[in-house]
Amino acid sequence: ETGVTQSPTHLIKTRGQQVTLRCSSQSGHNTVSWYQQALGQGPQFIFQYYREEENGRGNFPPRFSGLQFPNYSSELNVNALELDDSALYLCASSGLDRLNTEAFFGQGTRLTVV
Amino acid sequence: GDSVTQMEGPVTLSEEAFLTINCTYTATGYPSLFWYVQYPGEGLQLLLKATKADDKGSNKGFEATYRKETTSFHLEKGSVQVSDSAVYFCALRGGGGNKLTFGTGTQLKVEL
Repeated sequence: ETGVTQSPTHLIKTRGQQVTLRCSSQSGHNTVSWYQQALGQGPQFIFQYYREEENGRGNFPPRFSGLQFPNYSSELNVNALELDDSALYLCASSGLDRLNTEAFFGQGTRLTVV
Repeated sequence: GDSVTQMEGPVTLSEEAFLTINCTYTATGYPSLFWYVQYPGEGLQLLLKATKADDKGSNKGFEATYRKETTSFHLEKGSVQVSDSAVYFCALRGGGGNKLTFGTGTQLKVEL
């Protein structure tokens, strides 16, 4: 059973650029959620994907978008990067099953916007 | 909306001391409650969970009891070790979805 993996681990981008972060979900999981963790804060929910469809979204602007692929891996895209987008981006996978509510997190992608 | 409030850190303890990290929540319905731990430079690891009132989650010597009457889920450990130094996050999952709502985290430092 493979865990949740994210790539890249670190990334530096310039304000105004676009970035794509990737996440491979744990085997057997069909749901991927993305979180933004600013320094010294708790993770904030960005959105969730279930079977390739967006299934819930937090308070983030439309320039944050995502995809989920048939193998349940996922991408997070952020357009027009701002300095405040600098954060650790965490991906979590889980099964959408009320009896299996545990989310497994990847190690995160550290994004720095300069 | 859902929210989680946990005590601010950092909390500094000597090895073998007793640990309590307070966590209270606001949620509609009957949420599931979690404690996650984050070691430096890493993602989040689930430490323990409780899915209904009066459930006690436990793992690696840590315990927390789901108290609906006080809307609390305090984390405790009887004897901490240096290796327990990390940031601890209390979180809830509301009914109907898999979204997690986190507290701001409590940094724990355990010294010899």
